[in-house]
Parts: sequence; structure tokens; C-alpha cells
Amino acid sequence: GENVEQHPSTLSVQEGDSAVIKCTYSDSASNYFPWYKQELGKRPQLIIDIRSNVGEKKDQRIAVTLNKTAKHFSLHITETQPEDSAVYFCAAPTGTASKLTFGTGTRLQVTL
Amino acid sequence: EAGVVQSPRYKIIEKKQPVAFWCNPISGHNTLYWYRQNLGQGPELLIRYENEEAVDDSQLPKDRFSAERLKGVDSTLKIQPAELGDSAVYLCASSFSQGPQYFGPGTRLLVL
Repeated sequence: GENVEQHPSTLSVQEGDSAVIKCTYSDSASNYFPWYKQELGKRPQLIIDIRSNVGEKKDQRIAVTLNKTAKHFSLHITETQPEDSAVYFCAAPTGTASKLTFGTGTRLQVTL
Repeated sequence: EAGVVQSPRYKIIEKKQPVAFWCNPISGHNTLYWYRQNLGQGPELLIRYENEEAVDDSQLPKDRFSAERLKGVDSTLKIQPAELGDSAVYLCASSFSQGPQYFGPGTRLLVL
């Protein structure tokens, strides 16, 4: 099955700085990589995803990059704001895109 | 568009008691997932339905957990009897085929 590792487990940045979270996966057949944001006591919210036919995808202040050769993908948040504070999870599929294995999460804290 | 709906939001029971969770997916989504999220960890897939068929239940502890998705829309997850270790957040998610998964707010279960 898929093995997903996520780093760092905690990340503290100052408002306005950038944040980068990295994930590695084991299944070379994986072709879909979503990122979820989860605020305390709330549901995981899909913020961005990427398919393996592209190397980068951007949506305003967030971007995801994918390196299929090295089997890793990263979430980039620029110009961080206090409301970006949350736990972020990456995920990768085993076999079909439907069966996701989640990383262990990164707690991001944006300080003023 | 309404999101994934789950009930109850919170449940406190004593060990050995039964408990059931209900999920209504996003309209038109044929794939439904039940996940369990332990404190400080990412969601772990318990069972996946495509329409009314359970296509992946390899992670479901079948001695005490059961699920159904009659008519391919709403779903119920049951635990009988509950154990202390079952305390967690039970998340339901849905997708259209192998598209992005959207989560419900979850049911927070505490077994005493």
C-alpha cells in the first residue's frame, strides 16, 4: 500500500512570510495529490490538488509542486496570514484516486 | 450547493454500548467514504462505497463495525459493541467517481 510521509510536523512563521510543507510517497503509480486544511474542531477542507500530468499548480497564495521522479510534492503558501493557521494534510492514492492515504499533518502557526 | 451532512455531531456512550452515525453525501456524488481520525493524526479510510456497493472495506474492523448504503445515497456506520479505543472523530466524505473528496463535519465519539 501507499506510505506517505509529511514534514515538518509543526511550522511557525511570521505573518507575511512563506511556508512550505513537504510530502513523500511510495507508490510510483500514484497520480493525484490533494492538500487539505483542517482548523480546530472542523472538517478537512480541500484547498488544492494536482494530477501527475502537471508539475505545478497555483491558486492565489497557494501552490503545489510535484516531482514524480523523486516521488515528492510540496505545498507553498506565500504572504501568510493569521487565518492560514491550521493543520495541513497531504494525501496520495493507492491504486485509484479514490483510496487516499493521508500524511500525519503539519500544524502551521502564523504569528503577528 | 449543500455539503456533506453528518449526524450526530457529538456522541458520548459507555463501552459495550452500540452507536450509529449517519451521512448524507453531496447530491450527485456516487462515491462515499467513511474515515476515522484519531487525535493528532490524519484520516484513515474505513470503507468506500461506489453507489450501493462496498468496494473497499479492508480497513473496517468487521467484528464490531458495520456499514450500509441503501439505495446508494445515505449511509450509516455502526459500532457494536463500542470499545474505549473507538473514541475518535468519524468523518464521512463523498466524491463524483474518482474526483476530489469533500468531507462532512464529522461525529466526535467519546467512549467512557
